[in-house]
Amino acid sequence: DGGITQSPKYLFRKEGQNVTLSCEQNLNHDAMYWYRQDPGQGLRLIYYSQIVNDFQKGDIAEGYSVSREKKESFPLTVTSAQKNPTAFYLCASSIADATYGGYTFGSGTRLTVV
Amino acid sequence: KQEVTQIPAALSVPEGENLVLNCSFTDSAIYNLQWFRQDPGKGLTSLLLIQSSQREQTSGRLNASLDKSSGRSTLYIAASQPGDSATYLCAVMDSSYKLIFGSGTRLLVRP
Repeated sequence: DGGITQSPKYLFRKEGQNVTLSCEQNLNHDAMYWYRQDPGQGLRLIYYSQIVNDFQKGDIAEGYSVSREKKESFPLTVTSAQKNPTAFYLCASSIADATYGGYTFGSGTRLTVV
Repeated sequence: KQEVTQIPAALSVPEGENLVLNCSFTDSAIYNLQWFRQDPGKGLTSLLLIQSSQREQTSGRLNASLDKSSGRSTLYIAASQPGDSATYLCAVMDSSYKLIFGSGTRLLVRP
């Protein structure tokens, strides 16, 4: 079945540590996105990529980094510069022209700082 | 900058009641508006998508309307069921194909 796989489901980070969240899709989608969700809030865009080897900052990119070396993969690194990383992280993908829909979301990774 | 607001933030209703969730947005230059459902600790499931040229979309007991000129959308849920309990998120697609989300309405349907 086609879909998006995020791993791990739960992740714990120590202060000052970098961690990487995985996002893999087999939908042959061109575009991929990373969102952050805090309790009781909507989703805020961290980074997005519309083509391999290219990505753009979203609204809250500080303290995060991404890469897009393969069409299927869009990993997110939460660096030590992100001072409040505890949140629920969602990855999504879509076709290049998503105006008619086609956004697919992963099941999320919950990151906690310990 | 596009901002999306959802009212109410939370709603509790008895089973069988018809209900309306509201969404407003500040910039009418959108490609579409989408309603999503999110269960606790899960990802998002797409419910309905309305193109900017359309006025409404229906799927089963769900009906979504769009008034682009006034920057408003409503999600109507008929004959609510306990299984409808979830958070409902509204999102608009801006001119660069990014989705801008509201903060959601948390719905509880009591048996």
